[in-house]
Amino acid sequence: DGGITQSPKYLFRKEGQNVTLSCEQNLNHDAMYWYRQDPGQGLRLIYYSQIVNDFQKGDIAEGYSVSREKKESFPLTVTSAQKNPTAFYLCASKIGISGIYEQYFGPGTRLTVT
Amino acid sequence: QKEVEQDPGPLSVPEGAIVSLNCTYSNSAFQYFMWYRQYSRKGPELLMYTYSSGNKEDGRFTAQVDKSSKYISLFIRDSQPSDSATYLCAMSAPIQGAQKLVFGQGTRLTINP
Repeated sequence: DGGITQSPKYLFRKEGQNVTLSCEQNLNHDAMYWYRQDPGQGLRLIYYSQIVNDFQKGDIAEGYSVSREKKESFPLTVTSAQKNPTAFYLCASKIGISGIYEQYFGPGTRLTVT
Repeated sequence: QKEVEQDPGPLSVPEGAIVSLNCTYSNSAFQYFMWYRQYSRKGPELLMYTYSSGNKEDGRFTAQVDKSSKYISLFIRDSQPSDSATYLCAMSAPIQGAQKLVFGQGTRLTINP
């Protein structure tokens, strides 16, 4: 089965701790994305990557970091600098960055920071 | 002003009703228009996408785009309880060589049996 996996489904952390969210895809897609979803605000783009070892900031990158060492993996680190980290985080992938192709989403990770 | 505006609802209708979901936008550069469906605690899945003004039909779903008014709609006919979900409109524009998606806030829809 091809798809995107995100783990864990639920994550709890104390304030001041960094936390890394996993995203893996076996669709052989070049482009990968991280979004944050808050109630009433839709999806907002955090970071995206077109190819291995390259990534760009999205609209709300402050307090987050990413890496793209392998084509199939795009982990997101929520750092202690992120002022309001509690949210639903969605990873997505697409065949290519420039064409109009469907973005496939993972099941999401709900992060709660107290 | 947000680039894409969508009424967050919630919207509750009886089974069998026709549902109309709408989004407005301000950026004339948007070229492609999409509707995603998101069930509770799941990732969104693409329902329909359109490029030009006019209607596109797929089974019980019709997507409508009016570029002159910067307005898009999704109609659901003969609505079913399984249609209960959050519906997100999304629009795509080329930015620095990449197609960037901008999402609406999502409308939470409940179909009552």
